[in-house]
Amino acid sequence: DAGVIQSPRHEVTEMGQEVTLRCKPISGHNSLFWYRQTMMRGLELLIYFNNNVPIDDSGMPEDRFSAKMPNASFSTLKIQPSEPRDSAVYFCASSPYPKNTGELFFGEGSRLTVL
Amino acid sequence: AQSVTQPDIHITVSEGASLELRCNYSYGATPYLFWYVQSPGQGLQLLLKYFSGDTLVQGIKGFEAEFKRSQSSFNLRKPSVHWSDAAEYFCAVGALAAGNKLTFGGGTRVLVKP
Repeated sequence: DAGVIQSPRHEVTEMGQEVTLRCKPISGHNSLFWYRQTMMRGLELLIYFNNNVPIDDSGMPEDRFSAKMPNASFSTLKIQPSEPRDSAVYFCASSPYPKNTGELFFGEGSRLTVL
Repeated sequence: AQSVTQPDIHITVSEGASLELRCNYSYGATPYLFWYVQSPGQGLQLLLKYFSGDTLVQGIKGFEAEFKRSQSSFNLRKPSVHWSDAAEYFCAVGALAAGNKLTFGGGTRVLVKP
């Protein structure tokens, strides 16, 4: 079975540009999570969805960040405008919900560099 | 609020030696505890998890962890490390009622000497 698929794997952009990261969760998983990983702050939960509905977005840094889940098989995380401090690895993870085991299944991440 | 502390940022161990990674958590109710491993350039992979029952849990790759409620700890162990165990290890705490919302520790990077 395919795992969580993220694209792009690497993105280099200039400050002020819009960045869109994409995620396809594992089929049948109804919870989706966006995490950000940096050396300074470790793994931070940005937002998560249950059944395509955002449940907790308290980790979203500021209004420049937005996330959507238009259907059960696709989610986007958008940064507009991007800033150098947004440089990080962004992970998407999915989990079966409500029948879940607590385990998150992670994608391989999208490494973002903002110059 | 839940939190996880991994006191050791780096650990260097010789191949064949034993390994123990420390994890302390703070959580208001019965926690669900996890250990994940991240190899360079990869996502996180679940090693093992504790929900209830036997406080010593076995995971993949020969790892085990012990839940000690009195110490709020969930330390990870392996009797004999292999060079392929060099990676970063993350402890996490969560609650199913919160929809699998996991809080991760800062991670411990393990280096394996030949």
